Amino acid sequence: DAGVIQSPRHEVTEMGQEVTLRCKPISGHDYLFWYRQTMMRGLELLIYFNNNVPIDDSGMPEDRFSAKMPNASFSTLKIQPSEPRDSAVYFCASSLSGHLSPLHFGNGTRLTVT
Amino acid sequence: ELKVEQNPLFLSMQEGKNYTIYCNYSTTSDRLYWYRQDPGKSLESLFVLLSNGAVKQEGRLMASLDTKARLSTLHITAAVHDLSATYFCAAPPGGSEKLVFGKGMKLTVNP
Repeated sequence: DAGVIQSPRHEVTEMGQEVTLRCKPISGHDYLFWYRQTMMRGLELLIYFNNNVPIDDSGMPEDRFSAKMPNASFSTLKIQPSEPRDSAVYFCASSLSGHLSPLHFGNGTRLTVT
Repeated sequence: ELKVEQNPLFLSMQEGKNYTIYCNYSTTSDRLYWYRQDPGKSLESLFVLLSNGAVKQEGRLMASLDTKARLSTLHITAAVHDLSATYFCAAPPGGSEKLVFGKGMKLTVNP
């Protein structure tokens, strides 16, 4: 199994631009999570999906952030327009059965907004 | 709202020494996870603790859970440099499938 695959690994963009982060979960995992990691705030859950349906998006900072999961093997996190304070490492993780099984994390996307 | 707190947040120790790090969580939870993150890398699951008194060990790391005290410990025995990493604990809030993570404990083991 290739694990959770995220792309791109690094993204540098200018303020105001649209950014799209991508994630392919482990096949057969029903849950997909998007986390953001910063030095100041640690790991924060942004949103999670169960069977492609968004369940909890209370961690999404504001309307500039949106996430979709059109099918079981693909999810996107979009930021439009991006701001410097969005600079962080964004992790996608999947699990077989929610909190009943460990999260498997991707390698993350390091986003820098200048 | 579930809060997960770790202490200390930074630890520098000598090789060969022992130490215990702590993870407190604020509300009832049915399990507790420990993860490891190497610098610039992803998070890797280490342990899941499911019940009061549960103990898991792998190599020089041993994790335990006291659900009554809402406390988990991660004990390091005879530390080696390869254990240098950031260690996170995480727990699910009741009724939710998500995990709430602590801030992480950055461990540096010096020769």
